[in-house]
Amino acid sequence: DAGVIQSPRHEVTEMGQEVTLRCKPISGHNSLFWYRQTMMRGLELLIYFNNNVPIDDSGMPEDRFSAKMPNASFSTLKIQPSEPRDSAVYFCASKGSSNTGELFFGEGSRLTVL
Amino acid sequence: AQSVAQPEDQVNVAEGNPLTVKCTYSVSGNPYLFWYVQYPNRGLQFLLKYITGDNLVKGSYGFEAEFNKSQTSFHLKKPSALVSDSALYFCAVRAVYNQGGKLIFGQGTELSVKP
Repeated sequence: DAGVIQSPRHEVTEMGQEVTLRCKPISGHNSLFWYRQTMMRGLELLIYFNNNVPIDDSGMPEDRFSAKMPNASFSTLKIQPSEPRDSAVYFCASKGSSNTGELFFGEGSRLTVL
Repeated sequence: AQSVAQPEDQVNVAEGNPLTVKCTYSVSGNPYLFWYVQYPNRGLQFLLKYITGDNLVKGSYGFEAEFNKSQTSFHLKKPSALVSDSALYFCAVRAVYNQGGKLIFGQGTELSVKP
């Protein structure tokens, strides 16, 4: 079975540009999570969805960040405009319906904003 | 609020020796607890979890963890370390009441196993 698929794996962009990160969760999973990983702050939960509905976006840093989940098989995380401090690895993870279930992570999207 | 503490940024162990990676948690009510491993430039991989029942949980690659409710700890252990166990390890907690499944991670512990 395919795991969580993220694209792009690497993105280098200039400050002020729009960045869109994409995620395809595992088929049948109904929860999707976006995390950001940096050396300074570790793993931070940005936002998560249940059944395509955003449940908690309190971790989204500011209005420059937005996330959508238009259907059960696709989610995007958008940064507009991007800033150098947004440089990080962004992970998407998905989970099945059981509350005891573990998260399955994608390989991450490494973003560098120059 | 939920939180996880991994008090050691790095743990160094000789191959063949036992290893312990420490984790303490804070959560309202009962916890679900998880351990993940991350290899360089990879995503996090699930190792094991505690949901209920036996306090000693066995997981992948010979790892195990012991849930201690009175000490609010969930330390990761392995009887005999391998060089290939060298990686970044994360402890995570979810409150039982959190039906949304939100998982909060510790800062991670870098495990280095030397030959």
